[in-house]
Amino acid sequence: QSALTQPASVSGSPGQSITISCTGTSSDIGGYNYVSWYQQHPGKAPKLMIYDVSSRPSGVSNRFSGSKSGNTASLTISGLQAEDEAHYYCSSHRNAGTAHVVFGGGTQLTVL
Amino acid sequence: QVQLQESGPGLVKPSETLSLTCAVSGYSISTGPYWGWIRQPPGKGLEWIGSISQSGTTYYNPSLRSRVTISLDMSKNQFSLKVTSVTAADTAVYYCARDRGDSSSDYWGQGVLLTVSS
Repeated sequence: QSALTQPASVSGSPGQSITISCTGTSSDIGGYNYVSWYQQHPGKAPKLMIYDVSSRPSGVSNRFSGSKSGNTASLTISGLQAEDEAHYYCSSHRNAGTAHVVFGGGTQLTVL
Repeated sequence: QVQLQESGPGLVKPSETLSLTCAVSGYSISTGPYWGWIRQPPGKGLEWIGSISQSGTTYYNPSLRSRVTISLDMSKNQFSLKVTSVTAADTAVYYCARDRGDSSSDYWGQGVLLTVSS
């Protein structure tokens, strides 16, 4: 069982917007602004899409945005494109006695 | 351009020690901030293993802490992972990555599959 909870799957049509949630606790998401999101295509390494809750690395489309409320973080993808179909993972800094990083179980995004 | 490349044996026997190396090019590991390892069992999600700062401070996943060691080799611009007493549950693709210092990883290696089997 993963430390952070994500829906197993979400889907949307091209051009639509979708949101993926990631729920943790006050020891991780709720306690730090160190939430990140990764995109992973089959057979490829994960790619950083969002860091520090809502910041985008250089080169990542502004169709990707992140936010946080309490113990839940969210990734929103607007203007869905076929190339967005992938697995998405959230992660967060956690400090419950010892500092470390935790991941969500991953969400499969299907573009219909 | 920062590039990372994992290398390892591919196959390890149960109860033995797994050793992987991550060679970094285009960037000095002494600059940091952190260097880490993440693994992914076949068909499953990501699991953070641990990280090391440029000064050698280490942070480990509490569930793996007793079996894991991460170290730096500044002379070769690489860092390493050792996992002792491996079992089939340690079979996974192992990734090395640069941690920005905020628990996010911006540069990743391509990953290397390590299988534990007799």
